[in-house]
Amino acid sequence: QKEVEQNSGPLSVPEGAIASLNCTYSDRGSQSFFWYRQYSGKSPELIMFIYSNGDKEDGRFTAQLNKASQYVSLLIRDSQPSDSATYLCAVRNNDMRFGAGTRLTVKP
Amino acid sequence: GAVVSQHPSWVICKSGTSVKIECRSLDFQATTMFWYRQFPKQSLMLMATSNEGSKATYEQGVEKDKFLINHASLTLSTLTVTSAHPEDSSFYICSARDIGDLTYNEQFFGPGTRLTVL
Repeated sequence: QKEVEQNSGPLSVPEGAIASLNCTYSDRGSQSFFWYRQYSGKSPELIMFIYSNGDKEDGRFTAQLNKASQYVSLLIRDSQPSDSATYLCAVRNNDMRFGAGTRLTVKP
Repeated sequence: GAVVSQHPSWVICKSGTSVKIECRSLDFQATTMFWYRQFPKQSLMLMATSNEGSKATYEQGVEKDKFLINHASLTLSTLTVTSAHPEDSSFYICSARDIGDLTYNEQFFGPGTRLTVL
């Protein structure tokens, strides 16, 4: 079982829709959870982090964490074509482990 | 925000040569830096954890004699790919953890180095 699992996609949504990205992890001792966005050929950039159960909102982005289910998600409201990228879920215990990423395409 | 730089941003070298990649934290100190490798359309794979003043910790399957890591100061870590071969061609990304961040342990990523071995 992979430590951090994501649906590789591609996930395609129309402009203005809500994009939902999901991630599960295996290490129950994980303490912090991160969502990164990576454009092709570029380094990952941090979107949000969350460490408590529940929702955390930042602009159009909402991260949701459920430690009992070992599940973390990212919702992108009012999706824009510029949101088209690969989204990486990362989970930290002692070090940071990444999922394989979900490729999101937002169609105009 | 915290800034991490990498140099060079891209490099092309001949098979058998060695290549050094630098990773610097510009506005914070980092006792720990991480080196990742990413092949096309794949996720980041942690290669090693670099600790200032001590030996790096390598992930299983990563040859420590081939990928030499030196973390001589709180702002600089280097990765040297020795005797590079075409299969070492990849996108190498470093990240650093702020020594002052005791809560979220966020990692800040450098822009990456694209290595092409001919």
